[in-house]
This record gives sequence, C-alpha cells and structure tokens, in this order.
Amino acid sequence: DAGVTQSPTHLIKTRGQQVTLRCSPISGHKSVSWYQQVLGQGPQFIFQYYEKEERGRGNFPDRFSARQFPNYSSELNVNALLLGDSALYLCASSLWGTNTEAFFGQGTRLTVV
Amino acid sequence: QKEVEQNSGPLSVPEGAIASLNCTYSDRGSQSFFWYRQYSGKSPELIMFIYSNGDKEDGRFTAQLNKASQYVSLLIRDSQPSDSATYLCAVGNQFYFGTGTSLTVIP
Repeated sequence: DAGVTQSPTHLIKTRGQQVTLRCSPISGHKSVSWYQQVLGQGPQFIFQYYEKEERGRGNFPDRFSARQFPNYSSELNVNALLLGDSALYLCASSLWGTNTEAFFGQGTRLTVV
Repeated sequence: QKEVEQNSGPLSVPEGAIASLNCTYSDRGSQSFFWYRQYSGKSPELIMFIYSNGDKEDGRFTAQLNKASQYVSLLIRDSQPSDSATYLCAVGNQFYFGTGTSLTVIP
C-alpha cells in the first residue's frame, strides 16, 4: 500500500524563481497538509486542505499558495523565492480534517541559491 | 500564537533505561496530541497519539497527557540505540510542532 508520495525529492532554484511541489496522499485520505522544516527546527504549518477546501493557513506570506485536486493530491506553489525559503517541505495526509493522525511523505528538499 | 515547547536536549540515556521526553503547549483548547520520531534526513513518523487525560501505552512507549497543566510527555522504556532520533511533539488539528528533543541511546 503506497504511502504519501512527494515530488520532486530535491530541487535547486534561483532567487526570484517560482516552484511547484507535489503531493499524493495515502489512498482514501482526504486531507493534505503542508509544512516547512528548516534545519534544526520543528516543522511549521503552512496549509491544510480537506475535501479540496482550505481548512487552515499558517503564518506564511502570500507568496505561498496551495490547492487540492479532485483526486485529493495537492500542489504547493512558492513565488519570488528567497534564500530563506530553503528548507525541507513536508506533506502529510490524514483521513479526515480534524482529530486524526497524519502520515508524512519523504519531503522535498528545496535549495534556493 | 500557538506555542509548543520542548527541551531541545540533547538527552542521553544508556541502553535499557527509560527516556522521558516532555512537551508543554499554550493553547488550552487543544484536543489532540501526537508524538513523532524523526531520524536525521528523514521525514517524521508517527509514534503515538493521545486525546484524553491520563496514560496511553503502546509497546515500549507511553504517552501521558495532563490538559490542566497543558503538558504531554513520552516515556520510552528499555531504550535501544535504534531509538536515537529527534522526537517531535505536535499539538492540535493543524499540528503545531515543538522544535524537537534529540535523544541518544548509548550502547
């Protein structure tokens, strides 16, 4: 049974560019959340989507956006990349939107140069 | 701002000992609490979740929750070198994480 899959696994971008990260949840899971993890820190919540609707947004600038598709997969977009956006981006899927355990993908390592 | 605080460690325990990891949180309305383990360079993996006050046991792991004190802990019995990792406490539906506690189990 496939877990949460993210693509790409590694990415190098230049400052000012735009990036799209992708996530496929566990089959049957309807909620996807995105997190940013800077080295040495815990993951920081960016977005949560449930049934294709945004259910929550963390304290990130408008350069960050996301969406969820009818098949429950999701994309995270980051515009006008800054050096500080370099991080591990994690996607987590869960069955429901609330009060349920979430399972993480392997992450996308984004490096902005 | 919802805050989750953990002692960053590092915490070192000898093999076979009990490791105790602690977490406090600021949002009194939080209803769900999770412990994740993260090996270096890997993504977090779920160890346990707890929703009610008291203890919850799963194998060598015991989660303890005290909502009145806004405190959740994880005990690891018979610690093994393979338990060496960073342990992340997550609170709430949208997972406010602590910075994690680095645990080293010494053979």
